[in-house]
Amino acid sequence: IAGITQAPTSQILAAGRRMTLRCTQDMRHNAMYWYRQDLGLGLRLIHYSNTAGTTGKGEVPDGYSVSRANTDDFPLTLASAVPSQTSVYFCASSEGANQPQHFGDGTRLSIL
Amino acid sequence: GQNIDQPTEMTATEGAIVQINCTYQTSGFNGLFWYQQHAGEAPTFLSYNVLDGLEEKGRFSSFLSRSKGYSYLLLKELQMKDSASYLCAVMDSNYQLIWGAGTKLIIKP
Repeated sequence: IAGITQAPTSQILAAGRRMTLRCTQDMRHNAMYWYRQDLGLGLRLIHYSNTAGTTGKGEVPDGYSVSRANTDDFPLTLASAVPSQTSVYFCASSEGANQPQHFGDGTRLSIL
Repeated sequence: GQNIDQPTEMTATEGAIVQINCTYQTSGFNGLFWYQQHAGEAPTFLSYNVLDGLEEKGRFSSFLSRSKGYSYLLLKELQMKDSASYLCAVMDSNYQLIWGAGTKLIIKP
């Protein structure tokens, strides 16, 4: 079934540890995005990529990094996790920048 | 700054009609999206408006007035499965989506 796969589904992590959230899509979409969703707040864009080989910073990029080596994969790395990064992380993709975005099932991350 | 406002929570009765409003102030406008998100799940795309007027898609319709910075999502013949959060998002001049916090819709029998 075509779509976006995120891994892991959930994770508990000690503060200071490094963590990579994985995101893979098989729809050959050009654009990919990482969001975090916190209670009472709208989705906030962390990083995005309009096409393979390019990335850009969103609203809340500090403490996170991304890479886009190919069309399908868009991993998000927390270099040194802090408790304020506890959140639900969603990866999304779209055919183009102004097209509807399709979301993965999310990763629930708790930093202790 | 950029801002999307929508009610935090609404309650409606099964079989009825409900209108969820969204007002926005953004730097530029390249379209407005509505998404549905069931608890613990991913958002799913419902509708897209870029021109003024009403877009109808089955039981769901979405309206846009760009001059007023206003949109609404209209849900007809409500079903229990429509209980979810409804997210309004505006695409700004940089083609980035600015999201509202969502409206939690509770359907009562």
